[in-house]
Amino acid sequence: AQTVTQSQPEMSVQEAETVTLSCTYDTSESNYYLFWYKQPPSRQMILVIRQEAYKQQNATENRFSVNFQKAAKSFSLKISDSQLGDTAMYFCAFMKNQAGTALIFGKGTTLSVSS
Amino acid sequence: DVKVTQSSRYLVKRTGEKVFLECVQDMDHENMFWYRQDPGLGLRLIYFSYDVKMKEKGDIPEGYSVSREKKERFSLILESASTNQTSMYLCASSLSLAGVREQFFGPGTRLTVL
Repeated sequence: AQTVTQSQPEMSVQEAETVTLSCTYDTSESNYYLFWYKQPPSRQMILVIRQEAYKQQNATENRFSVNFQKAAKSFSLKISDSQLGDTAMYFCAFMKNQAGTALIFGKGTTLSVSS
Repeated sequence: DVKVTQSSRYLVKRTGEKVFLECVQDMDHENMFWYRQDPGLGLRLIYFSYDVKMKEKGDIPEGYSVSREKKERFSLILESASTNQTSMYLCASSLSLAGVREQFFGPGTRLTVL
């Protein structure tokens, strides 16, 4: 069975600084996807970034980037130039590359960005 | 724009009541999911459906059932609500196409069982 571990329940950062959220996972699969989802307070869960396991290049989306280390089964999220609007709970998630499968989530990291 | 809607944002029910949570997506997605979100536990899968009238149990199906009579609608049913089912319930949907694995989430229903 697959598991996803986020070891940092809470983190805080100042505006404009950089922060890295950690995620490790365990799987015997070779073909899968990894995701970071963001859930702002009282708002909808949205996708931040995704990574296909077969791609060696790390995914980037504007200020968000990942450090994907397949051998180490590590998938960290780096947020550059943090903004107040980045305050949210962040979930790391795993999915097998197979039709009709569900996401497996970590327990989440609450990120607070202060001015 | 992709859209997943849930019938209620907040719901208060009594112990023993039968509760229906509805989810509708307008993206013609094959897959639909119900998750439960609790502090410190993340999101846990209750049930999912990969086609009309098809369903699969997730990690915590006990006390729940689901119905999918139409492609766009996926209902979660609490047959006899209990206080330990007080939680946030999230619905999601996704396509089954190879290479497309993003799930789109609804706004959630915060259910309180008294």
